[in-house]
Parts: sequence; C-alpha cells; structure tokens
Amino acid sequence: DTEVTQTPKHLVMGMTNKKSLKCEQHMGHRAMYWYKQKAKKPPELMFVYSYEKLSINESVPSRFSPECPNSSLLNLHLHALQPEDSALYLCASSPRDRGNSPLHFGNGTRLTVT
Amino acid sequence: AQTVTQSQPEMSVQEAETVTLSCTYDTSESDYYLFWYKQPPSRQMILVIRQEAYKQQNATENRFSVNFQKAAKSFSLKISDSQLGDAAMYFCAHETSGSRLTFGEGTQLTVNP
Repeated sequence: DTEVTQTPKHLVMGMTNKKSLKCEQHMGHRAMYWYKQKAKKPPELMFVYSYEKLSINESVPSRFSPECPNSSLLNLHLHALQPEDSALYLCASSPRDRGNSPLHFGNGTRLTVT
Repeated sequence: AQTVTQSQPEMSVQEAETVTLSCTYDTSESDYYLFWYKQPPSRQMILVIRQEAYKQQNATENRFSVNFQKAAKSFSLKISDSQLGDAAMYFCAHETSGSRLTFGEGTQLTVNP
C-alpha cells in the first residue's frame, strides 16, 4: 500500500474543462512534489513545495496551477489543457527537500486530454 | 547540465540469477546523492537503494547492491537471486541542488521463470 494517496486514478477531460488532481500524505513530510511522466519516459519535475511554500517551478505553463493548502495536501489545478498534456501525473513527498530524504511516490493519476 | 545515462533500454534475467544494470552520470558537484527507483506496472515509483557520494562504501539492501565508482561517475545496480516481482522499469537518478532529481531513461527488466 502506498503512503501517498492520489485521486483520481484516471481522468479524462476536454480542453475547455477545469479539473483538479489531489495528493495526500500523513507521514509528516514537509516537502511535496508534482512530476509528469510520459509513456516509457522518466518522470519530469514540475513543482516542489517546501514547508507549504512553492520553492521550485520548472517553467511549467500556467494552465497547471499547484496549491498546497496544508502540509498534508497538494493539489494540481488544470485548465485549458492540450492533448499533449496527457500523461501520468505523479505526486511525491519527502521528510524535507534534500537527498538524504528520499521521495515517496503515489500511484499517479493517468490524465487523458481530448 | 546534469545528465544521467542508462545504456541498456532492456535487460532480461532468469529467475534466481544475478543481473547488473548500468548507470553513468555527469555532475560538477562533490556532494550529492544517487538513487535507483523501480516502477512496476502498478505505476508507483519505489525506492530501491540510495548512495551518498561522500561515502566510499557501496550501499546494499538485501538482494540489491550498488557498485559506486565516484571517479568514473558510475553507479550500477546488482540484483541477486532475481525474483519474478523484480520485473519493472528501473530508473537511476541523481539529485542536484535544490532537490531536483534527474532521472535516466530507464531500463526495462524482464525476469524469466
């Protein structure tokens, strides 16, 4: 069982829709991450939150909007997406944002944009 | 730019045998961390093993061990007594400053019964 829970598992949305991906962890971790993974490719970092503040934005288009309401929750708000945004979106957490704190990943949300 | 190279897109091993997955990386930093993650069809990325660059001793976790050659910037993963559950995509990763993980392209491991 994963300790990082992502919902929904699958999402199909049109290009004009607004939807949100949710991520939750109760391990007391203070860093949370969003990654995007295309098929048969490695994950690509999108955002990092450290102590509930956005610390890294890897030049992600504004149609992706992250939110960290509290230390246990991480959202990714989606609006006006393109078909090329279809991918697996992985959430991860770590005790803190440094290497001796390895990432714990969720099972991901499979997003399809039609 | 930090890069991680996995030169073996696919590997296969017989159950109970040993297999080694290769990884090389490029960095200008002296203190960093290296990881191997596995991603089975369930999609979850699972940490297999990690290595701190300042430690000369190779990390081991049960059947998994690494051969860390800092000067050569090489970080291979050895899986002993392979099991069917080891079948997965394996990603080598290097942590750069500011908690950015750079992943290699992955090696798809098949375990044959």
